[in-house]
Amino acid sequence: AQRVTQPEKLLSVFKGAPVELKCNYSYSGSPELFWYVQYSRQRLQLLLRHISRESIKGFTADLNKGETSFHLKKPFAQEEDSAMYYCALRGGGGQNFVFGPGTRLSVLP
Amino acid sequence: KAGVTQTPRYLIKTRGQQVTLSCSPISGHRSVSWYQQTPGQGLQFLFEYFSETQRNKGNFPGRFSGRQFSNSRSEMNVSTLELGDSALYLCASSLGPGGLASNYGYTFGSGTRLTVV
Repeated sequence: AQRVTQPEKLLSVFKGAPVELKCNYSYSGSPELFWYVQYSRQRLQLLLRHISRESIKGFTADLNKGETSFHLKKPFAQEEDSAMYYCALRGGGGQNFVFGPGTRLSVLP
Repeated sequence: KAGVTQTPRYLIKTRGQQVTLSCSPISGHRSVSWYQQTPGQGLQFLFEYFSETQRNKGNFPGRFSGRQFSNSRSEMNVSTLELGDSALYLCASSLGPGGLASNYGYTFGSGTRLTVV
């Protein structure tokens, strides 16, 4: 069964500090992994997908199949990064999405 | 260009009743996917429709159903409402299939907030 876990419900860091939002998954095949972000009073937006291997707003995420993880990282957090972050998995063959419970990131001044 | 329109915006229903929510995608978009968002469970995928066919379905009971019309508008129905069905129901539309992973991108509606009392 597909499952995504995000162990931290709330993560607080100071501005300029590194941030890592953890995401672990369970899936027997080759999954597609995504990070979505929802800023206050805004709609859910795609932040990263692992197949793109890109950096968006300074965030990167590497798929580690050995550890079944897809942690989101940023070396220097900004106050505007404060938001709800969801890790999501889609199984091969276009199977449905499974979201993690989300981590609320709070970047303190 | 009009965005994704969800109606109604707010809804209050009594346990045991049924409810129908509507989602009108952006003109030309053929894919509509539905999500339930609650503080306790977070965001959960309900189903995805593309060209009037259900492509994927999440792990929700049979009380949750949906359909898509030839004009790509989609409806979601919940029968025998339970208190736990209180949530924000979001739909997202896209040109092509794949929901939130569509290579064509996607656009969310503002959601319908359902309260079951």
